[in-house]
Amino acid sequence: QVHLQQWGAGLLKPSETLSLTCAVHGESFSDYYWTWIRQPPGKGLEWIGEISHSGSTKYSPSLESRVTISLGPSKNQFSLNLISLTAADTAVYYCVRDLNYCGRDSWGQGTLVTVSS
Amino acid sequence: QSALTQPRSVSGSPGQSVTISCTGTSSDVGAYDYVSWHQQHPGKAPKLMIYDVTKRPSGVPDRFSGSKSGNTASLTISGLQPEDEADYYCCSYTGFQTVFGGGTKVTVL
Repeated sequence: QVHLQQWGAGLLKPSETLSLTCAVHGESFSDYYWTWIRQPPGKGLEWIGEISHSGSTKYSPSLESRVTISLGPSKNQFSLNLISLTAADTAVYYCVRDLNYCGRDSWGQGTLVTVSS
Repeated sequence: QSALTQPRSVSGSPGQSVTISCTGTSSDVGAYDYVSWHQQHPGKAPKLMIYDVTKRPSGVPDRFSGSKSGNTASLTISGLQPEDEADYYCCSYTGFQTVFGGGTKVTVL
């Protein structure tokens, strides 16, 4: 049974960079795509992007200029970087396993990232 | 504004059936059989209830079912239970990315 554990800074200032990491425990990392999704307080879900076990990525067009998803820093981990933060980036960020398109069966615990001066 | 349109809220009494719609276009819901539904209780991570339009992950009660007709997908909860009170989000593949609906709050009266 897979377990996703995520961590990273929760309070950032405008213009700073968000960095989150997600560790995958318990099942094969190479059989799936791995995704980041965010949810602003009181609002709906937003897909940020995904990465395969080989490192190929795809990003939301609305965030593509500011986002990087990468493998590592350790085995069976993947990371999210989002630059040039504004208050609109305040959200709970989740790392997620994709069974296929939209079929997301395992979620991290979520990290509330607040962007405030 | 979300890419997929869901009703803001639906409600029903215990034991009743409720259906949540998710309307997209011929480029997303109408084009691919990659529609999912997630349940989210307050303060919790979403939980996958339906994927590939009709498939139920192991452990999801069979009172949850999914369907699709044209550009609209639906989630039906038959025999509503108090623990079904939550937010529900649909998701669809667009050929490049995946997009969510705005969410529907299900209230058990």
